[in-house]
Amino acid sequence: DQQVKQNSPSLSVQEGRISILNCDYTNSMFDYFLWYKKYPAEGPTFLISISSIKDKNEDGRFTVFLNKSAKHLSLHIVPSQPGDSAVYFCAASQGGISSGSARQLTFGSGTQLTVLP
Amino acid sequence: ETGVTQSPTHLIKTRGQQVTLRCSSQSGHNTVSWYQQALGQGPQFIFQYYREEENGRGNFPPRFSGLQFPNYSSELNVNALELDDSALYLCASSPRQGIGEKLFFGSGTQLSVL
Repeated sequence: DQQVKQNSPSLSVQEGRISILNCDYTNSMFDYFLWYKKYPAEGPTFLISISSIKDKNEDGRFTVFLNKSAKHLSLHIVPSQPGDSAVYFCAASQGGISSGSARQLTFGSGTQLTVLP
Repeated sequence: ETGVTQSPTHLIKTRGQQVTLRCSSQSGHNTVSWYQQALGQGPQFIFQYYREEENGRGNFPPRFSGLQFPNYSSELNVNALELDDSALYLCASSPRQGIGEKLFFGSGTQLSVL
């Protein structure tokens, strides 16, 4: 049972245009969401995150939108650059610091983004 | 600042053997998590260690075990290897327990079981 789904295995975008990567989740207990980027032969690196109390978070060219009612989040990259070409993973977690629960991330299967020059 | 380092980078084992993977967490980080990433899939949570004790476990059998040492480095041990254990094993560290903190991943150990 996949609790976090990235239904597009790949996406190609022209340099300078917007890249939109989508992610759906089924577990309504998730309250924190993250995006990670992964280059070949490297570990995933953190990109941006959003708490469930927000619906938008921006960091430079990257914006994450969260639609809790639809259990959907998206990552927008504007403008896209060739160096953005990588696999992008959506991840979610649940639990709070006060609960003492472990930080367990549930990842989607990833979307390969290719930005064409 | 030294990042998360894992060793070895690649490993080939045969079915039934045992393997130990190693991880040095980022300086100042006291929580270590291990993830398994099979080909074409996202990383899957194996377990987490905090202050040398297991603190959370994913859906993995007991033949997957771990250790965390006083210097916060960690080991992942897998006994009785199966073909399906072939995967990239990722170690991640974080500065403290709880959610809302990003994880810092190593480059992983690629394990092939023949």
